[in-house]
Amino acid sequence: DQQVKQNSPSLSVQEGRISILNCDYTNSMFDYFLWYKKYPAEGPTFLISISSIKDKNEDGRFTVFLNKSAKHLSLHIVPSQPGDSAVYFCAASPYSGAGSYQLTFGKGTKLSVIP
Amino acid sequence: EAGVTQSPTHLIKTRGQQVTLRCSPISGHTSVYWYQQALGLGLQFLLWYDEGEERNRGNFPPRFSGRQFPNYSSELNVNALELEDSALYLCASSLLGQRFQETQYFGPGTRLLVL
Repeated sequence: DQQVKQNSPSLSVQEGRISILNCDYTNSMFDYFLWYKKYPAEGPTFLISISSIKDKNEDGRFTVFLNKSAKHLSLHIVPSQPGDSAVYFCAASPYSGAGSYQLTFGKGTKLSVIP
Repeated sequence: EAGVTQSPTHLIKTRGQQVTLRCSPISGHTSVYWYQQALGLGLQFLLWYDEGEERNRGNFPPRFSGRQFPNYSSELNVNALELEDSALYLCASSLLGQRFQETQYFGPGTRLLVL
């Protein structure tokens, strides 16, 4: 049972254009969502997060949108740069009431930004 | 500020052996999480430690175990290694506190190969 789904295994975008990575979830208890960027054989690097009380969060070139009714979130990267080429993981955490909980990850989307 | 560190970076073992992986969290973080990323699979939650106690474990057999020390560093032990234990083992740390502030930060990982 895959609770966090990234249905696009890969995405190619021209440098300077917008990259849109999508993520769907099924668990209604998730209320904190994160995006990580990962290079091969390295640990994931935290990019940006959004809480369930918001529908948008921006940090520089990165914006995450959350649609709770659709159980869908997306990461927008504008403008895309060749250094953005990596695997992007969507992750979700339920509200445990006692602090942080384990993250449930999607399988990742490999982004290739073409110069 | 130093990030999450893990040792060793690479390890080769044979079936049936035992292995210990180590993790030092970000200074001030009390929670440590372990994840497994097997080849072609996503990140799977293994264990969560906080304040020296095991708080939760994922769907892994008991031969995966660990502990957290008073300085919040952690060890992951895997007994009776099997070929399918070959994976990248990732450690993450977080600061338990206010809701929506509990981002997990990852180390570089330990690559384990079981022959």
